[in-house]
Parts: sequence; C-alpha cells; structure tokens
Amino acid sequence: LAKTTQPISMDSYEGQEVNITCSHNNIATNDYITWYQQFPSQGPRFIIQGYKTKVTNEVASLFIPADRKSSTLSLPRVSLSDTAVYYCLVGAGSSNTGKLIFGQGTTLQVKP
Amino acid sequence: GAVVSQHPSWVICKSGTSVKIECRSLDFQATTMFWYRQFPKQSLMLMATSNEGSKATYEQGVEKDKFLINHASLTLSTLTVTSAHPEDSSFYICSASRSVANTGELFFGEGSRLTVL
Repeated sequence: LAKTTQPISMDSYEGQEVNITCSHNNIATNDYITWYQQFPSQGPRFIIQGYKTKVTNEVASLFIPADRKSSTLSLPRVSLSDTAVYYCLVGAGSSNTGKLIFGQGTTLQVKP
Repeated sequence: GAVVSQHPSWVICKSGTSVKIECRSLDFQATTMFWYRQFPKQSLMLMATSNEGSKATYEQGVEKDKFLINHASLTLSTLTVTSAHPEDSSFYICSASRSVANTGELFFGEGSRLTVL
C-alpha cells in the first residue's frame, strides 16, 4: 500500500481557500486517492475521491497531476467548522479488498 | 450517503471483563468491514479486516485472541475485547465499503470509546 505524506498542521482564517497537499510517490496504477475529514471523537467522514485530473463536489476539489504522485485537496472559503484533521489515503483499487492505511493526517485550524 | 452505525458509542468496564462492540451497515450490504483503533491525538490504526462468513485478517501486532471479530452477516460485524485491561482503553472505529469496484470509498461508524478501569 502506498505511503502518504502530509503536513502535520495548517492554520487558516475564515473565508480563505485552503489547499492541503499529499505526497504518494509509490501509488499503484489501480489506486484511488481518497480524502477524509475527522472531528474529535467521531469517525472519519468521506470528503472526495479521485483517480486523475480534477474532481469537484459540493464541499471540495481534488487536483491530481498527471504523474499521480501527489494530490491537493482544496477547501473553498473555510469556516470555523472546518477545523478538523484531514487524511489523504491511497489504495484499494479493484484488485484488493479496499483496505486503507491512515497516515498522520493534517490538523487544520481555522481562526476567526 | 451510506450509513454505518456502531453500538455502544461509549462503554466503561472493569479490568478483566469482556466488551462487545457492534458495527452495522444500515442501508447497504458490506462483505468487508474494517476495525481501527485510535489513541488520543493519533491517527487511526488498522486492526483487522472482517470478512463475512470467514475468519478475520489481523494486522501485524494485533492479538487475534484478544480482539475477537465476528462477521456473521452482510450487515453486522462485532469486535469483542476480551479480558480488557486499562491499556485497551481507546476509540474503536469500524468502516465498511459498499463499492463493488473497491475504489476505497469507506463509510465509517461514529466510533466507540472504551474506558477500562
């Protein structure tokens, strides 16, 4: 399973755009990139998933360059409620059971 | 989105007793579920993969006799912490995948906080 590297922490202010980058140099051909958000004492919540190029949903965008060795989660106009830990995960694919290994995650602190 | 529910959400027990935590997929069938544990200010650590109708696959360093996993149906997996000790106190989280293509989109339960006195 590909290992991921993210910044341990980031600070931002309300209304700003936040970009969190994740490195996954050993990503396999059939691996997907998935981002999760976790609040204290809660299970992680799915944010977005992609395989290549750009994916956008109602809460975030995911940018994946052509070599897929990294990805960037973009949160537009963050609010205080976006303060959480964000995890980038790589793995699964159609050839295995969906097993995912969590890295250290990025703690995002949004300030007023 | 798909819903995964855990019960109980928190439990306090005496040292030496056993505790069972349930994980249910409420609106989809999950042939595979995963169990994680999380210590304060740390990431989630995968404990085991729970497969419906077969034995669970444990990660290295996880005692299978200590953490019993049963996945008897497509919507229910249970984790039993046997002879619990204070060092077993942790946040236990389950997850399930409903994606046929196994893209890695997992749905997580709310977590169960175990405190062993």
